[in-house]
Amino acid sequence: SQQGEEDPQALSIQEGENATMNCSYKTSINNLQWYRQNSGRGLVHLILIRSNEREKHSGRLRVTLDTSKKSSSLLITASRAADTASYFCATDAGGSRLTFGEGTQLTVNP
Amino acid sequence: GAVVSQHPSRVICKSGTSVKIECRSLDFQATTMFWYRQFPKQSLMLMATSNEGSKATYEQGVEKDKFLINHASLTLSTLTVTSAHPEDSSFYICSAPGPWAYEQYFGPGTRLTVT
Repeated sequence: SQQGEEDPQALSIQEGENATMNCSYKTSINNLQWYRQNSGRGLVHLILIRSNEREKHSGRLRVTLDTSKKSSSLLITASRAADTASYFCATDAGGSRLTFGEGTQLTVNP
Repeated sequence: GAVVSQHPSRVICKSGTSVKIECRSLDFQATTMFWYRQFPKQSLMLMATSNEGSKATYEQGVEKDKFLINHASLTLSTLTVTSAHPEDSSFYICSAPGPWAYEQYFGPGTRLTVT
């Protein structure tokens, strides 16, 4: 069953603005990953944060993890129209089996 | 980076027929692969774990006799949807853990439409 909840479900911003998406989960995890999916396509791995890490950066992406609150956030800075996609968090509790959140549909308007 | 392919990318079949979807790891070996299903505007739901040389492990609520999984080699897993019905229409995605720790690589997905 899906354990992840993401908010917002949909987010619409202007180019250049920052986009923040949140993810909550219910069980203990080894790591949490964020993926991007363009409409009708497969998933692209964005970033992984381990359970003993609190923050991680990759280019314009910043991910935080709060294991005490069982939550994570993904920040995309200086957004571009090409960032328009669905973003999913996924938790790995062991064995590489991923449980996905419900996803956030991000629309970046030019 | 590691690449996972799926074939076909799209398939339309008639109700009652069976459809086979292939998932291949192109430049690495995968003793385990995962099959997900995604309905429109929804998240990915794990269906089963495909294990090379042994039986697949199915998630609760997934009918193993309907969704047959065969992991015959270290680079190929197949998902056969048997006696397909319109409610089986969905986007099926496979993934494989990469050669580096933690990362998973997803195939491009297969769009199944049952008429």
